[in-house]
Amino acid sequence: DAGVTQSPTHLIKTRGQHVTLRCSPISGHKSVSWYQQVLGQGPQFIFQYYEKEERGRGNFPDRFSARQFPNYSSELNVNALLLGDSALYLCASSWGDRAEAFFGQGTRLTVV
Amino acid sequence: QKEVEQDPGPLSVPEGAIVSLNCTYSNSAFQYFMWYRQYSRKGPELLMYTYSSGNKEDGRFTAQVDKSSKYISLFIRDSQPSDSATYLCAMSEGNFGNEKLTFGTGTRLTIIP
Repeated sequence: DAGVTQSPTHLIKTRGQHVTLRCSPISGHKSVSWYQQVLGQGPQFIFQYYEKEERGRGNFPDRFSARQFPNYSSELNVNALLLGDSALYLCASSWGDRAEAFFGQGTRLTVV
Repeated sequence: QKEVEQDPGPLSVPEGAIVSLNCTYSNSAFQYFMWYRQYSRKGPELLMYTYSSGNKEDGRFTAQVDKSSKYISLFIRDSQPSDSATYLCAMSEGNFGNEKLTFGTGTRLTIIP
């Protein structure tokens, strides 16, 4: 069975640009969450979507937005990139009725 | 004070030793507790998932939760070099449709052959 898949795996962007990260959850999972992990730290919660509705938002600026599609895949968008946005962005999927979450391999974003 | 505290290590132990990893937390609403293993530059892999207080065993791994002390542990028996990774504890209040995970900083573990 396919796990959580994220694309792209790596990308480099310039300050001020916009980026879109994509995630496909495990088949049957209805909830997708996004996390940011900077080097040496644990992942920090950005968003959770369940059945295409936002169910939770972490302490991130409005430059960060996300959405979930009818097939439960999801996009994370970040506008006006800053150097500090450089991190590993992780997508996690779950059934939505329990906290057990499975992560993808992440997208490593470097802002220069 | 962080909601979840975890000693970042690094922790080095000889192969075959028992490893003990721990986290403390301050939010008494947490009721779901997880341990993830993360290899360098990879996504976290779910190792153990437990609800409320008690013990859970899976192969060489044992997870313990003590909600009265707000303290969770992961024990690894017969440690192997392949166990060398960063171990993250994570917790959730588990409200339906909103299962935000709060993570510790991770403990970097090295098993010495």
